Parts: sequence; C-alpha cells; structure tokens
Amino acid sequence: ETGVTQSPTHLIKTRGQQVTLRCSSQSGHNTVSWYQQALGQGPQFIFQYYREEENGRGNFPPRFSGLQFPNYSSELNVNALELDDSALYLCASSTTGWGTDTQYFGPGTRLTVL
Amino acid sequence: ELKVEQNPLFLSMQEGKNYTIYCNYSTTSDRLYWYRQDPGKSLESLFVLLSNGAVKQEGRLMASLDTKARLSTLHITAAVHDLSATYFCAVAGGATNKLIFGTGTLLAVQP
Repeated sequence: ETGVTQSPTHLIKTRGQQVTLRCSSQSGHNTVSWYQQALGQGPQFIFQYYREEENGRGNFPPRFSGLQFPNYSSELNVNALELDDSALYLCASSTTGWGTDTQYFGPGTRLTVL
Repeated sequence: ELKVEQNPLFLSMQEGKNYTIYCNYSTTSDRLYWYRQDPGKSLESLFVLLSNGAVKQEGRLMASLDTKARLSTLHITAAVHDLSATYFCAVAGGATNKLIFGTGTLLAVQP
C-alpha cells in the first residue's frame, strides 16, 4: 500500500505567476483535502474533493482552485501568486469525505514566492 | 465559526518528567484528532477520539476527550528526547471531514 505522495517537493515562483501542485492519494482513498501551513502556524483548510467534486471550501480566494481526477489524484492551482502564498502545502487523503475517517497527510510542497 | 486553541504554545521539558497539553474548541464536535509534526516534515496521525470520555494510549502518550467541556488533553509520561516535535490537535468541522487545527504546541525535551 502506497502512502500519499506530492510533487514537487520545493518550488520557487515570483509574484503574479501561477503554480500547480500535485497529489496522489493513498490506495483505496477517494477523498483529497488540501491545506496551507504558513511558517509557525497550524494548517488551514483550503478545500476538499470527493469523487471528483468539490466537497467544501475554506476561506481562500477563487484564485485557489483544484481538480480531482478519476484515479482520485488531485491538483491545486494558485493564480496570481502573492508573497503571503509562501507556505507548506499539504494534501491529505481519506476513505470518504464524511464521518470519522482519519486523514493521512503527504510530505508537502514548500512554495516560496519572491 | 469553530476555533481551536492549544496551550501551552511552547513546552520545554526535562527527560523523565510528565506534562499535559490542552486543546480547547469552541463549538460542538465529536471528532478530535492529534497529529505530530517533526521540523520540515508532514503530519503524522497519533490519535482519533470519537466520543465523550474516549481515552487512547500509545507508548508515553495518552489522549482523552471531554466533549461536554470541549476539551482534549495529550498527556506525556516520562518524556524522552524522541518526543520532541510540534503537536497539533484538530477538530472536524461540520458534516465533511474538514479539519480545524489548533496553533500547535512545540515540545522540546531536554536531556
């Protein structure tokens, strides 16, 4: 059984650029959630995808968007990057988007915006 | 809006000592999670607490949940250096499994 994987590991972008981060969910999981973790803070919920549909969104602007594919892998896209977007982006997968399932986190993508 | 607070934010302990981290949350939830994060690493699931009075133990760590008081505790017994990390509690908000995280407690165990 493979765990949650993310790519790339690190990324450096400049303000105004666009970025795409990728996540492969753990085998058997159909739900992916994305979180942003700024330095020294707890993770903040961005959104969740369940069976290819958005299933909840946190307080993030529309320039944060996502996709989930038929194999349940997912992408996070951020347009018009701002300096405050610099953070560790974590994806987590679970069996379903409801109930008591534990979310298993990937290793994260460290995004630096200059 | 669901809010989660942890205290202390920073905890320096000596090896062999006991201590407790507290997690308070603002609205009703029956799902509470504890995670560990090592520097520069991702989050490792430690405990899932699903009902009032739930208690779970793994090694030197024990977590409990009081849903009426909206309080969870993570108790550390006879701390060792390997426990040094940041510990987060997280509460599931709403019907979906959206997690609201606390501010984290940075634990440093000194020899």
